[in-house]
Amino acid sequence: NAGVTQTPKFQVLKTGQSMTLQCAQDMNHNSMYWYRQDPGMGLRLIYYSASEGTTDKGEVPNGYNVSRLNKREFSLRLESAAPSQTSVYFCASSDWGRETQYFGPGTRLLVL
Amino acid sequence: AQSVTQPDIHITVSEGASLELRCNYSYGATPYLFWYVQSPGQGLQLLLKYFSGDTLVQGIKGFEAEFKRSQSSFNLRKPSVHWSDAAEYFCAVGAIHTGGFKTIFGAGTRLFVKA
Repeated sequence: NAGVTQTPKFQVLKTGQSMTLQCAQDMNHNSMYWYRQDPGMGLRLIYYSASEGTTDKGEVPNGYNVSRLNKREFSLRLESAAPSQTSVYFCASSDWGRETQYFGPGTRLLVL
Repeated sequence: AQSVTQPDIHITVSEGASLELRCNYSYGATPYLFWYVQSPGQGLQLLLKYFSGDTLVQGIKGFEAEFKRSQSSFNLRKPSVHWSDAAEYFCAVGAIHTGGFKTIFGAGTRLFVKA
């Protein structure tokens, strides 16, 4: 099992560019999450998907959109990147949303 | 609303010394409580969790945590720290909300281990 995989590992964008961060899990988990991690602020939830076909906003959803493509995949899209979106992004999954979350290795995003 | 406070931004301990990382939470009902560890450049990994039952929970790598409802705390402990324990530690509280289960993370405590 690969667990949770994320692509790309690192990305540099210019202000106003768009990109999609990909996440996939092979644990047959129902729930998936996107977080951002900034120094001194821990992890903040951007969006989550409790089950296939549903998505909900988290704590900091502005400037982002998500797609739960199928049970395995949950993508995060930045339509018009801003320097404030420079961060490390983590995808996670869990079974029925009540148990342990399993995290991917993260995507480091720099917006110039 | 849920919230988590980790009062110590960073802690330095000597190898072989004992460790206690503090965590206080705010939540109206009995929460789901977690401790995660993040090594440099890595994602988070679960150390231990508490949902109900025995208030002293054992985790991986020799860590344990004690849930104290009266103090709204869930402190992480280890009797003897190893150099490989140097990492960032996150306390988290989870709860069921409309639409699913949400987890709120503390800001983290970075542990430095000196020889």
